[in-house]
Amino acid sequence: AQKITQTQPGMFVQEKEAVTLDCTYDTSDQSYGLFWYKQPSSGEMIFLIYQGSYDEQNATEGRYSLNFQKARKSANLVISASQLGDSAMYFCAMREPSTNAGKSTFGDGTTLTVKP
Amino acid sequence: DAGVTQSPTHLIKTRGQQVTLRCSPKSGHDTVSWYQQALGQGPQFIFQYYEEEERQRGNFPDRFSGHQFPNYSSELNVNALLLGDSALYLCASSFGTVSYEQYFGPGTRLTVT
Repeated sequence: AQKITQTQPGMFVQEKEAVTLDCTYDTSDQSYGLFWYKQPSSGEMIFLIYQGSYDEQNATEGRYSLNFQKARKSANLVISASQLGDSAMYFCAMREPSTNAGKSTFGDGTTLTVKP
Repeated sequence: DAGVTQSPTHLIKTRGQQVTLRCSPKSGHDTVSWYQQALGQGPQFIFQYYEEEERQRGNFPDRFSGHQFPNYSSELNVNALLLGDSALYLCASSFGTVSYEQYFGPGTRLTVT
């Protein structure tokens, strides 16, 4: 069974600074995908970034990057130059191999608050 | 280009009743997945529909059922509601069954009293 652990219930960061949100995962599969989503107070889940288990380079999408350490089974999200609009809940998720993102396992999330 | 839409936005039901939630996928998408998100937790996968059939299912009882229509829209039905069914129900759409990227709707907040 797959499991996602996010150990930081809440995080604070000063505007314009960088912040790292932690995610560790547990799986016996060799092939898997890792995701990060942002959920504002409106409730909609917004896809941020994806990392495949066989991808050699860390994924990047604008101000978001995923620090993938396969041996440690960690997939931390780094947000650079934080903005007030980044305040939201952030979820790390994993999908099973050979399936799409539909059947994903999510962590319990980290609430990020950006201070002006 | 319309994104994923869900209706209704909010719903209040009484224990034992039945409820139907609706989802229209993003234009061009043909696969719909449903999630239940309890307060303070991450989403839990309920099931996924593709080509009008349930393709995958999470660890949810048979009280949870669904349907997909020829236009790819989907319904989630929950029978014999329990207090514990109170949650945000999210619908997500994707193209095909191998796509890793999925788009979520704003959700339906169900409260069972």
